[in-house]
Amino acid sequence: AQRVTQPEKLLSVFKGAPVELKCNYSYSGSPELFWYVQYSRQRLQLLLRHISRESIKGFTADLNKGETSFHLKKPFAQEEDSAMYYCALEFSGSRLTFGEGTQLTVNP
Amino acid sequence: GAVVSQHPSWVICKSGTSVKIECRSLDFQATTMFWYRQFPKQSLMLMATSNEGSKATYEQGVEKDKFLINHASLTLSTLTVTSAHPEDSSFYICSASLGTGVEKLFFGSGTQLSVL
Repeated sequence: AQRVTQPEKLLSVFKGAPVELKCNYSYSGSPELFWYVQYSRQRLQLLLRHISRESIKGFTADLNKGETSFHLKKPFAQEEDSAMYYCALEFSGSRLTFGEGTQLTVNP
Repeated sequence: GAVVSQHPSWVICKSGTSVKIECRSLDFQATTMFWYRQFPKQSLMLMATSNEGSKATYEQGVEKDKFLINHASLTLSTLTVTSAHPEDSSFYICSASLGTGVEKLFFGSGTQLSVL
């Protein structure tokens, strides 16, 4: 069965510092991976997907099949980046397996 | 953007009673909706896939007789927790699909169920 692991439940950085949220997965098929963000008291929303290789709000994520990882990175964190971040894997027809989430706090 | 509404946002019920949670797509038609549950500080776990006009598909380990899903229209899916027990207390989240692909998924704000 597929599995997504986010080893850090909490991550705290200072404004302007680089940030990396880790995500590892296990899946027998070809992985389709995504990052979701949930700001305080808001609903879950898609941040980015690996296949697009785009940068959203300064965040990027690269799929590393050798290391089975899909870490989320941003070179200079902003206070408004403080949120809960979930890594997710699509295993069929928009069905998702989520990691446990990482609460990112960016301190001024 | 597409909006998915969940109702109620929180509910408290007595053990043994049934509770219905609604998931509505407000400005689009959703042929497919998904139901997740989330325990405190844990991941969202997919419970079932709800397709309009047909029976829901449940994930392994999810009791279909306990979690009844009805998707009677293109804008409404309901999850009924039957004979609720304290261990059913959880955060239930739905998502609705605007089309093919995960980028077409939109999430509701969730329902906190507490069973006394």
